[in-house]
Amino acid sequence: QKEVEQDPGPLSVPEGAIVSLNCTYSNSAFQYFMWYRQYSRKGPELLMYTYSSGNKEDGRFTAQVDKSSKYISLFIRDSQPSDSATYLCAMSERPNNAGNMLTFGGGTRLMVKP
Amino acid sequence: DAGVTQSPTHLIKTRGQQVTLRCSPKSGHDTVSWYQQALGQGPQFIFQYYEEEERQRGNFPDRFSGHQFPNYSSELNVNALLLGDSALYLCASSQGIRTNEKLFFGSGTQLSVL
Repeated sequence: QKEVEQDPGPLSVPEGAIVSLNCTYSNSAFQYFMWYRQYSRKGPELLMYTYSSGNKEDGRFTAQVDKSSKYISLFIRDSQPSDSATYLCAMSERPNNAGNMLTFGGGTRLMVKP
Repeated sequence: DAGVTQSPTHLIKTRGQQVTLRCSPKSGHDTVSWYQQALGQGPQFIFQYYEEEERQRGNFPDRFSGHQFPNYSSELNVNALLLGDSALYLCASSQGIRTNEKLFFGSGTQLSVL
């Protein structure tokens, strides 16, 4: 079993829909949770960064973390065709000086149709 | 403000050859990490460099080695290439090495091993 699980999709939605993307994880030491967006043949771009449990909102994006369930979500409101990309969740452990290795999910491919 | 830059963008090698990939971190960043992303998968951590030393290493063989220079730029070297080394190689930089430092990725080097 992988440390971080993510449905690969593809997820196809109409323009304007609310999109829900999710990841589950098994390592209870994860404290920092991120969502990256990756367009084809490009590097991942940091979208959201959260610490511990709770919600964080930034424009059309909302990230939720439920550490008790080991479950994180990313919601995209009013989805646009330009949101079509692969969305990667990533996590790292407690603060330390040994390094900040990220553990990624496999990514969910999202397609928003006009 | 230049982001993370990687060179070359594409590379084709044959089995058994050696390859060197290069990365310049984002301005103000002093820590460089390398990730391997196979097609359809999430990035996997290779290693991280800080103060010109390898600080943390993922589950990759010794064929993968690296270096960080005084100007914080970095190289990834892979010896005795295998077909399975074909992937997108991503460089990420951060300011500092603590777990809560945000990572920013370059666009990657696409390596094809024939």
